[in-house]
Parts: sequence; C-alpha cells; structure tokens
Amino acid sequence: DIQLTQSPSTLPASLGERVTISCRASQSISNSLNWYQQKPDGTVKRLIYSTSTLESGVPSRFSGSGSGTDYSLSISSLESEDFAMYYCLQYATYPYTFGAGTKLELK
Amino acid sequence: EVQLVESGEGLVQPGSSMKLSCVASGFTFSNYGMNWIRQAPKKGLEWIALIYYDSSSKYYADSVKGRFTISRDNSKNTLYLEMNSLRSEDTAMYYCAKEGYYSALDYWGQGVMVTVSS
Repeated sequence: DIQLTQSPSTLPASLGERVTISCRASQSISNSLNWYQQKPDGTVKRLIYSTSTLESGVPSRFSGSGSGTDYSLSISSLESEDFAMYYCLQYATYPYTFGAGTKLELK
Repeated sequence: EVQLVESGEGLVQPGSSMKLSCVASGFTFSNYGMNWIRQAPKKGLEWIALIYYDSSSKYYADSVKGRFTISRDNSKNTLYLEMNSLRSEDTAMYYCAKEGYYSALDYWGQGVMVTVSS
C-alpha cells in the first residue's frame, strides 16, 4: 500500500498569513493526488484534484503543486473560514490512502 | 446539485451485522463508481471500499476485507455497505462518496454514525 506522510500535523497561523501543507508519498503517484477540507461539523469538501486543479467554486487563494512523491497545498492569505482539517488522498493505486491530516488553527 | 444521503445509523453489539445505504441524486448514478470512507472518533479519514459503476469490480481496505461488502442498485440510485462480524474498532462515522470524471472522491455525503459496543 502507498503511505502518505502529511506534515505538519498541526499548523498555527494568523489571518492573512500564507501557509503550506506537505504530503509525501512512499512511491511515485504520478500526480494522482487530491486535497480535502473537513469542517468541525464533519462536512468534507474536495478543494483540489489531480495535484493542481482547483475545484469549481473554491477560492483562488488555494493552490496545489507537486510531482512524483512530493506534493503540497498552499493557502495564500488565510481567511477565518479556512481554519479546519486538511487531508491529502492518493488514488494512483488501490487501496486509496489518506494522509493523517493537518489541523490548521488560529494562532 | 449532487446529493448523497446516508442512512442506517445505529448502535450494535460486537459480532453483529449492519447495513448502510446511500441514496444519490443530482447526477447519473449508473455512470460513476462509488466509495465508502470512514472516520473513527477523533481520528483521520480511512478509505474502505469502492465499486465500479456497473458493479464489475470491487476493492476493499485490508481492515474490512472479508467482513464488509459494497454493492449498488442502479435502478434505485442507491449504494450499500453490508457490515458483518463488527468489532469495536469499526466504530466510526461512515461516508459515501462519488468518483469524479477526472479524479477520485469528488462529492461526499454527510455521514452516518456506527457504534459497536456491548
């Protein structure tokens, strides 16, 4: 199975700050990586698919990049609604696997 | 608008069985693969099963293989998860999610809680 190592596990940040979350795969996943946001009520939303394609309706302050085994999610200028949990997912091979998650919290 | 609504929430004893449903609307259900994902209390997301659009292939996580069965009824726009030999570690929120045209898991339901406890 492909393991995803997501870091950091917790990310304290301030409004307006730029942040980056990393996701490293145990083998190449050929850009088959998505990013999800989970709110405290449990709602899960896909933000980015195929490494860098922004989901329709997602603000342009979100961006994704990477290749091979290393991927990242960046938020250019944090707004209050961005404080949530974030997960990466690889779908290159079965079983699909998620990173352990990053809690983005207000500093 | 895509909607996925899970049902079947409940409390069951270890060793028992339970069946979850997920009713889909807002898209042509029979054209897309579907998934189940779960999240144990205060833990991360765990993908557990996928079924192709036509039920021709099914994939499972090792943690549920042989105990859980994913199925679908395209005439009813409904996805199912039959869970047998339930264990305390199966206690989780269970989500259904649709496969995307270009990528995986594009839309998710709100989830249903399954508690396995004596």
